[in-house]
Amino acid sequence: GQNIDQPTEMTATEGAIVQINCTYQTSGFNGLFWYQQHAGEAPTFLSYNVLDGLEEKGRFSSFLSRSKGYSYLLLKELQMKDSASYLCAVISADYQLIWGAGTKLIIKP
Amino acid sequence: TAGITQAPTSQILAAGRSMTLRCTQDMRHNAMYWYRQDLGLGLRLIHYSNTAGTTGKGEVPDGYSVSRANTDDFPLTLASAVPSQTSVYFCASAPQGTSVPDTQYFGPGTRLTVL
Repeated sequence: GQNIDQPTEMTATEGAIVQINCTYQTSGFNGLFWYQQHAGEAPTFLSYNVLDGLEEKGRFSSFLSRSKGYSYLLLKELQMKDSASYLCAVISADYQLIWGAGTKLIIKP
Repeated sequence: TAGITQAPTSQILAAGRSMTLRCTQDMRHNAMYWYRQDLGLGLRLIHYSNTAGTTGKGEVPDGYSVSRANTDDFPLTLASAVPSQTSVYFCASAPQGTSVPDTQYFGPGTRLTVL
C-alpha cells in the first residue's frame, strides 16, 4: 500500500527553528510537495523536491532523501503566523498525489 | 485574479437530499480535482478531471458524481447525502495534470454538514 507518515502535532517557540519530518512508502516517486494550511483555509504551495538535497526558500527549507523515503521541512526564525498545519504529499509513479494527514504546528511566544 | 472559487461556503443538508457543490477556476488549468478533508485524515481524492470532457474516480468516489463540460467548471454532486459525507470539500486545479509533476491550487473550501 501507499503510506505517508508525519507527526500529528508539534510545538515550538517564536524565534526558534523547527523541523517537520515526513516519511513515505509509495509505488514509485515523481516528487514531493509541502503545503501550508492555516485553520479554516485552503492549502497553499510551499515547496517541491524531486532531487536529493536541500531546497532553500527564505525562512523555509525542504530536504529530500529518495533512498530513505524521507523529507523534512525546516522553518527558521519562527513567527506566530507560522502556526498552521503542514501537509506532505508525494507524487506516485502514475502521477497521483498521495497526501499525508498533516502536522499541526503550534507556535508559543 | 479570482483563481478558484467555490460555492457555497458552508451548507447544512438533510440526509437523503441532493446537492451540488460548485467550483470555477479562471486560470485555464487543464486539470481539476475534488478532495474531502476530515480531521486526522489527509486530503482524499474524490474525483478528478485531466481535461475538459474527461473525468476519473479517485480514492473515495462512492456517493459522488462530477462533470466537466468546459475548462472552467467542475461541479460535484451528492445524489443522496448521508451523514458520513459531512466534511470540508476542497476543489483544486493544476496547469497540466497528466504525466508531469504539477502544483495544485486550491479553492477556499465548502464546509458541508449532513444531518
